Amino acid sequence: NAGVTQTPKFRVLKTGQSMTLLCAQDMNHEYMYWYRQDPGMGLRLIHYSVGEGTTAKGEVPDGYNVSRLKKQNFLLGLESAAPSQTSVYFCASSYSTRWGANYEQYFGPGTRLTVT
Amino acid sequence: GQQVMQIPQYQHVQEGEDFTTYCNSSTTLSNIQWYKQRPGGHPVFLIQLVKSGEVKKQKRLTFQFGEAKKNSSLHITATQTTDVGTYFCAGPTGGYNKLIFGAGTRLAVHP
Repeated sequence: NAGVTQTPKFRVLKTGQSMTLLCAQDMNHEYMYWYRQDPGMGLRLIHYSVGEGTTAKGEVPDGYNVSRLKKQNFLLGLESAAPSQTSVYFCASSYSTRWGANYEQYFGPGTRLTVT
Repeated sequence: GQQVMQIPQYQHVQEGEDFTTYCNSSTTLSNIQWYKQRPGGHPVFLIQLVKSGEVKKQKRLTFQFGEAKKNSSLHITATQTTDVGTYFCAGPTGGYNKLIFGAGTRLAVHP
């Protein structure tokens, strides 16, 4: 089991360029999440998905789009990168919740993105 | 909106000293989770607390959930260099297993 994987690990973009970050999980999880991590600000939720074909906005969705065409994959797109999007991006997945229970989230290794 | 705050932001200790980080929520939580992130790594789940006043131990780590379910703490006894990293608390927000994270406490341990 690879768990949650992310590609690429590092990327440098120029302002205005676009890119897609790929997240894949092999745990058959229904829920998937994209976070960004900035110094002193913890993890902030960008978008999430509760199943194949569904996506929803999180806390900081502006400038990002997502797609979940297959259950195991969750893509994060930056259409026109800005320096403010320089960050470390983490994907996570979890089981779907039942009767109000919460489950741990499994995180990928992260993508370090620099926008110049 | 809902907030989760952690203090301190950073702490450095000598190896063998104890360490505590505190987590406070602006709202009552149904449960709280703790994660550890090693330098250059990704967050890894440590534990979940559910009951009011709950105390759980994992070797040298002791986790507490407050009686009002609005605060929590993580205490490490006799720190080791392997404890280095950032510790995050997180509470549920808005369903679908979404979490709101505290800003984390970064622990440095000097040998």
